[in-house]
Amino acid sequence: AQKITQTQPGMFVQEKEAVTLDCTYDTSDQSYGLFWYKQPSSGEMIFLIYQGSYDEQNATEGRYSLNFQKARKSANLVISASQLGDSAMYFCAMRDRYMDSNYQLIWGAGTKLIIKP
Amino acid sequence: DAMVIQNPRYQVTQFGKPVTLSCSQTLNHNVMYWYQQKSSQAPKLLFHYYDKDFNNEADTPDNFQSRRPNTSFCFLDIRSPGLGDAAMYLCATSSGTGMPYEQYFGPGTRLTVT
Repeated sequence: AQKITQTQPGMFVQEKEAVTLDCTYDTSDQSYGLFWYKQPSSGEMIFLIYQGSYDEQNATEGRYSLNFQKARKSANLVISASQLGDSAMYFCAMRDRYMDSNYQLIWGAGTKLIIKP
Repeated sequence: DAMVIQNPRYQVTQFGKPVTLSCSQTLNHNVMYWYQQKSSQAPKLLFHYYDKDFNNEADTPDNFQSRRPNTSFCFLDIRSPGLGDAAMYLCATSSGTGMPYEQYFGPGTRLTVT
């Protein structure tokens, strides 16, 4: 069965430091996609970055990069030069072809990130 | 800017009193989703539409219904809210025609049941 594991319930990081948020996944499909979302305290879920299983290069979007290690089934989010506004809940999610619908995601439990000034 | 809009942002209803939450989108996406999210938990999918094709999750209570009268609008009806239905309700959309089907979310409606 598909599963997403985020082992860090919470993290404190000093402003301007880099942050790595862990995500491991389990799927028997060869074709799948991995997503990271940010949810500030206001509640809106914000799409950050996507990695496809066949993408050879790690995805990057501005200060966000995804450290994709396929053999280890990990898809860690790296935030460079953290800012106070990065304080939020972060969710890792996955889609594969064995889901009931192409349009559904499996979600991890989330990591609460707090940036200290 | 193209976006997903949810109204109201905060809704208070009484135990057992029907309530409707609304969602609209200007992205012209085929797929619309409703999620329930309780404090410090991942969002839980209630149902989704591909155009007018409705897909209900197996564990979504019958108390929850949805309507999608056109591409732009989708409604969540809670017929008899219980205290356990107090949560954040998130609407999301995704394009059904191009990978990777990332989902775009509205700001959510926080429901309180008194």
